[in-house]
Amino acid sequence: AQSVAQPEDQVNVAEGNPLTVKCTYSVSGNPYLFWYVQYPNRGLQFLLKYITGDNLVKGSYGFEAEFNKSQTSFHLKKPSALVSDSALYFCAVRDWDSNYQLIWGAGTKLIIKP
Amino acid sequence: DTGVSQNPRHKITKRGQNVTFRCDPISEHNRLYWYRQTLGQGPEFLTYFQNEAQLEKSRLLSDRFSAERPKGSFSTLEIQRTEQGDSAMYLCASSLEGVSNQPQHFGDGTRLSIL
Repeated sequence: AQSVAQPEDQVNVAEGNPLTVKCTYSVSGNPYLFWYVQYPNRGLQFLLKYITGDNLVKGSYGFEAEFNKSQTSFHLKKPSALVSDSALYFCAVRDWDSNYQLIWGAGTKLIIKP
Repeated sequence: DTGVSQNPRHKITKRGQNVTFRCDPISEHNRLYWYRQTLGQGPEFLTYFQNEAQLEKSRLLSDRFSAERPKGSFSTLEIQRTEQGDSAMYLCASSLEGVSNQPQHFGDGTRLSIL
């Protein structure tokens, strides 16, 4: 069965420190992976995607993600966290069994402390 | 391009009433999705349209829920005889399929509260 796992419900990071939000996946076809961010009372905003090519993908707001095929992971990273990065982050993978819909992780709450 | 627009942003209604939400997708997008999200959870797929055709509907979706996209542009989601468990954020997203895995773009949602 295809799935996405975000093993951490919450990640706490001090402002200025690097941050990592973890995501692992299981899919039957090629892994097309996405990260979205959600601020309170807002919809989800697209951050970045991996389809093919370089394993390090750069996205919006200084975020990047590293695709690791052997570990089936797609961790979200940022070299220096900002308080404004505090939000809910969702990883998603394209579902090859269901007309290319997305399978969503449960989300990770990122808290950046000043 | 003004993004995906959803109306209303908030809806409070009594149990048993019918409610209808509207979504205006990004104009050139041919796919439109409806999701439901409860607090602290990821989006739960409800249904999606390719142009005006409703191609898939979640098996978990009650028959009290119906969605339309009559001209392949805006869409409406109706919930009949609302129940307490329908309280949630209803999200709409659109995408341009057929063009290299473009991401889904979301509106800010309609928050439904059932009294």
